[in-house]
Amino acid sequence: GAVVSQHPSWVICKSGTSVKIECRSLDFQATTMFWYRQFPKQSLMLMATSNEGSKATYEQGVEKDKFLINHASLTLSTLTVTSAHPEDSSFYICSAAWGDTEAFFGQGTRLTVV
Amino acid sequence: KQEVTQIPAALSVPEGENLVLNCSFTDSAIYNLQWFRQDPGKGLTSLLLIQSSQREQTSGRLNASLDKSSGRSTLYIAASQPGDSATYLCAARNQAGTALIFGKGTTLSVSS
Repeated sequence: GAVVSQHPSWVICKSGTSVKIECRSLDFQATTMFWYRQFPKQSLMLMATSNEGSKATYEQGVEKDKFLINHASLTLSTLTVTSAHPEDSSFYICSAAWGDTEAFFGQGTRLTVV
Repeated sequence: KQEVTQIPAALSVPEGENLVLNCSFTDSAIYNLQWFRQDPGKGLTSLLLIQSSQREQTSGRLNASLDKSSGRSTLYIAASQPGDSATYLCAARNQAGTALIFGKGTTLSVSS
């Protein structure tokens, strides 16, 4: 299957700072990328859908000004958690797809805000 | 709005047993359904993808079935091994190009 690389795999940051997570499709062009969040012992919850060159579509309850998503190229999408707080600590995972094909997932990023 | 439910939430079995994990979805008009494995603190490993026109898919000891009319899918694991211990997630895609909607998963523990 196709390869999606997510970086970093884990990050610890201080409360009030911003953190950027990168999601790259290594061997295909991703027309659509999805960002999910997973709290401990919970399922993956969709945060937003981004199409290359367009503004991301956020799910209800997800603050677009707090979780900035950029999908400027067909191989890279970034999620920036701005002014992070301890309650933002979670496992963030992206997936990438082209056209109507199956979406492939990154390895995930464990964010801890202290 | 699509909702995906997985039963049971947790399952413990001795090595060698055959087992079935259940997944149900509320909107039967799905595009496809996918089963994943997630190890603690790790990302997702795709196990099987079933298109809406298919009834089942097989990979090794795994077999997944899909019954759209009843809104159900099952993942059958034959001859379970301790290495199968993980959380198994079921996810449905409503339309081509849209996001997967996940269930909460079934955490499987296989004892030797």
